[in-house]
Amino acid sequence: KAGVTQTPRYLIKTRGQQVTLSCSPISGHRSVSWYQQTPGQGLQFLFEYFSETQRNKGNFPGRFSGRQFSNSRSEMNVSTLELGDSALYLCASSQGQLLEGETQYFGPGTRLLVL
Amino acid sequence: KQEVTQIPAALSVPEGENLVLNCSFTDSAIYNLQWFRQDPGKGLTSLLLIQSSQREQTSGRLNASLDKSSGRSTLYIAASQPGDSATYLCAGGTSYGKLTFGQGTILTVHP
Repeated sequence: KAGVTQTPRYLIKTRGQQVTLSCSPISGHRSVSWYQQTPGQGLQFLFEYFSETQRNKGNFPGRFSGRQFSNSRSEMNVSTLELGDSALYLCASSQGQLLEGETQYFGPGTRLLVL
Repeated sequence: KQEVTQIPAALSVPEGENLVLNCSFTDSAIYNLQWFRQDPGKGLTSLLLIQSSQREQTSGRLNASLDKSSGRSTLYIAASQPGDSATYLCAGGTSYGKLTFGQGTILTVHP
């Protein structure tokens, strides 16, 4: 089975722009969660989507949004980029929701650099 | 709010040594505890998942334990090898559907 894939792998943007990242979960997985990883803050939970609905959200501003399609693929959008948004963005998938406590399978991440 | 702390932040050991990584959490209503490995610039690889009803899980040279009452989990690595060098992260899952990560322990195993 193919693993979790994320595109693009690397991205350079300038302040004020917006960006869309994509995550394709493992086949059959219905939950996709997004995380931001920075050296200072570590890994922080952004949100989870399950069956095309946002199930939970972390403490991030409204500039961070996402959606999930009927095939479980998910996109994350960040508008009005700030320098502090530079990070590795990771997505993870599982068959059930996060609260069901299943193993999370992570993708390789998208490294975003905001100049 | 769940907070997860990992000690030590970094560890350097000679090959062959047995070692223990520690993870502590503040919310005893933890649903499960998962240990991950992250290689530089890469995503996370799940190592072990312990449900709240379990006390420990084993996979090869790895053994993870969970003590909800004390708010602690440990990852034991037996007979360490240079290929074990990576950052090890623990994450606590809660019934309100979030996964909270520790800051990680950077492990270096030198030949």
